[in-house]
Amino acid sequence: EAGVTQFPSHSVIEKGQTVTLRCDPISGHDNLYWYRRVMGKEIKFLLHFVKESKQDESGMPNNRFLAERTGGTYSTLKVQPAELEDSGVYFCASRGGTGELFFGEGSRLTVL
Amino acid sequence: DQQVKQNSPSLSVQEGRISILNCDYTNSMFDYFLWYKKYPAEGPTFLISISSIKDKNEDGRFTVFLNKSAKHLSLHIVPSQPGDSAVYFCAAILNSGGSNYKLTFGKGTLLTVNP
Repeated sequence: EAGVTQFPSHSVIEKGQTVTLRCDPISGHDNLYWYRRVMGKEIKFLLHFVKESKQDESGMPNNRFLAERTGGTYSTLKVQPAELEDSGVYFCASRGGTGELFFGEGSRLTVL
Repeated sequence: DQQVKQNSPSLSVQEGRISILNCDYTNSMFDYFLWYKKYPAEGPTFLISISSIKDKNEDGRFTVFLNKSAKHLSLHIVPSQPGDSAVYFCAAILNSGGSNYKLTFGKGTLLTVNP
């Protein structure tokens, strides 16, 4: 069974540019989460999808961040325009009905 | 304001000895606690968990202890092995029986097990 996959593994962009991160959850997992770890800080919750619906987006930093999950399968997280403080590792995780979260390897974003 | 705190950024132990990683929390409404292990360039991997109705959970070499009155939990690894070297994150959930399952993480503790 394939795990949670994320793309790209690393993205380097300049301030003001746009980046889109993609997450493919484990097949059949309705719950999909985005988390972020800024250097030296804790991993922080961004938002939670149940299928295609946003269940909780209380952790989204501001309106430069847009997450979508069309069709309830893969999800994208777009940052537009990117700022220096957006640099960090963005983790996606998925979960079935019960049980634990399975995390992807993360997408490292570097904003110069 | 951090609700889950891991006050030791790093810990170094000898192979075969016990590793004890500590975690404190401030929100008494957390009812489920987890430990995740993370290797470089990988995502966190679930290790062990404990419900707030218990004070101990054991899985092989890993044991988690919960002291609700002190709002403290610890992860014991015995015996420690070099392959245990990783960053360990403590995490907590509010209302774990609900649909959200949102984790609040600590900053992590880097464990190094020396051969």
